[in-house]
Amino acid sequence: SQTIHQWPATLVQPVGSPLSLECTVEGTSNPNLYWYRQAAGRGLQLLFYSVGIGQISSEVPQNLSASRPQDRQFILSSKKLLLSDSGFYLCAWSGRTSGSSYNEQFFGPGTRLTVL
Amino acid sequence: AQTVTQSQPEMSVQEAETVTLSCTYDTSESDYYLFWYKQPPSRQMILVIRQEAYKQQNATENRFSVNFQKAAKSFSLKISDSQLGDAAMYFCALMEYGNKLVFGAGTILRVKS
Repeated sequence: SQTIHQWPATLVQPVGSPLSLECTVEGTSNPNLYWYRQAAGRGLQLLFYSVGIGQISSEVPQNLSASRPQDRQFILSSKKLLLSDSGFYLCAWSGRTSGSSYNEQFFGPGTRLTVL
Repeated sequence: AQTVTQSQPEMSVQEAETVTLSCTYDTSESDYYLFWYKQPPSRQMILVIRQEAYKQQNATENRFSVNFQKAAKSFSLKISDSQLGDAAMYFCALMEYGNKLVFGAGTILRVKS
């Protein structure tokens, strides 16, 4: 079976500090990977997606960047955090598995980021 | 650009009763997918049900069913025999070619015992 991991679960960072959030997927190969942000009480906004190693598409210009150094690893980064970067960050994957296709996304447990 | 609108910020239902959550969307594509996701207090996103736009038959998953009206661009979720564990935020989402999801703002569902 497939599983998706995110860490850390919770993070409190000062303004201007760097950020690195990691997401890994197990049990599948060549997945599509996604980073979403959810502001308090709001829906999810797609930030980045990747269809392969080194291939990153950005949906929203911002203070963040993403990288995919390995097939099943997706990293969200920032050089200098802003207050507005606070939120709940969710990683998701889609791919060919028994019972699903690239048209279905599965989400990780999320990271709650607070920038002070 | 595609949009998803959930006009009910909050809904309440009595345990064992039925509730319907509304969703409308806008897309210029003829082939797409629609989803309902559930987000409990743990904030884990859980897929509840999906609908392929090319299928006329409404999707069902146990107590969850949808009313998909393609011409009206409407996609409502019906929860039958509501249970306390159904209490959560529910998101409607649209996926077009490219596998990117666009989410609505969500509806908080409260279940009263």
